[in-house]
Amino acid sequence: ETGVTQTPRHLVMGMTNKKSLKCEQHLGHNAMYWYKQSAKKPLELMFVYSLEERVENNSVPSRFSPECPNSSHLFLHLHTLQPEDSALYLCASSQWQGTSGANVLTFGAGSRLTVL
Amino acid sequence: RKEVEQDPGPFNVPEGATVAFNCTYSNSASQSFFWYRQDCRKEPKLLMSVYSSGNEDGRFTAQLNRASQYISLLIRDSKLSDSATYLCVVRNTGKLIFGQGTTLQVKP
Repeated sequence: ETGVTQTPRHLVMGMTNKKSLKCEQHLGHNAMYWYKQSAKKPLELMFVYSLEERVENNSVPSRFSPECPNSSHLFLHLHTLQPEDSALYLCASSQWQGTSGANVLTFGAGSRLTVL
Repeated sequence: RKEVEQDPGPFNVPEGATVAFNCTYSNSASQSFFWYRQDCRKEPKLLMSVYSSGNEDGRFTAQLNRASQYISLLIRDSKLSDSATYLCVVRNTGKLIFGQGTTLQVKP
């Protein structure tokens, strides 16, 4: 276990469904991230929260909605997704070093999403 | 031009071989550099940070060339368990940018 736990590990949903991905970290970190990993593409940063405040939103479609209620929990709410959104969604946490930004990331095992 | 570029491979090598991966980055102001390892169907994990003077961890050696804007990873005496995808990661203005990854297959 890395100290970052993601649920569910696998999710299949239709385009009209609403679901949420959950991430929890037990490392005492103050920043959390959502990344998307598609086949044969680099990891794409979606959202960053530092001290529960969103500091990065990489032009992600509004059908993805993040929520960070506290420094240990992060959610990604999904609604009306498209088949091309099928991917591995990775949560990560780190210490945020002020203006230096992200430090070394610890990833969760990922949530594999399939949109039918 | 991609911010971080890697040869995706795959690199197929026999056990015991020495193999080297390169990674180039486009932003000369990049601050920090890392290699991550990702096993099949698993999450990425930090392998090592890359320091300006170069650094070694057992069979793994990382080098940074700021003038040419590339990072390298050398693996000596390859083991079957080294088979994985190796991700080059660069920190720019507080963000971590990942390369596509280079896949290594070590064969018996």
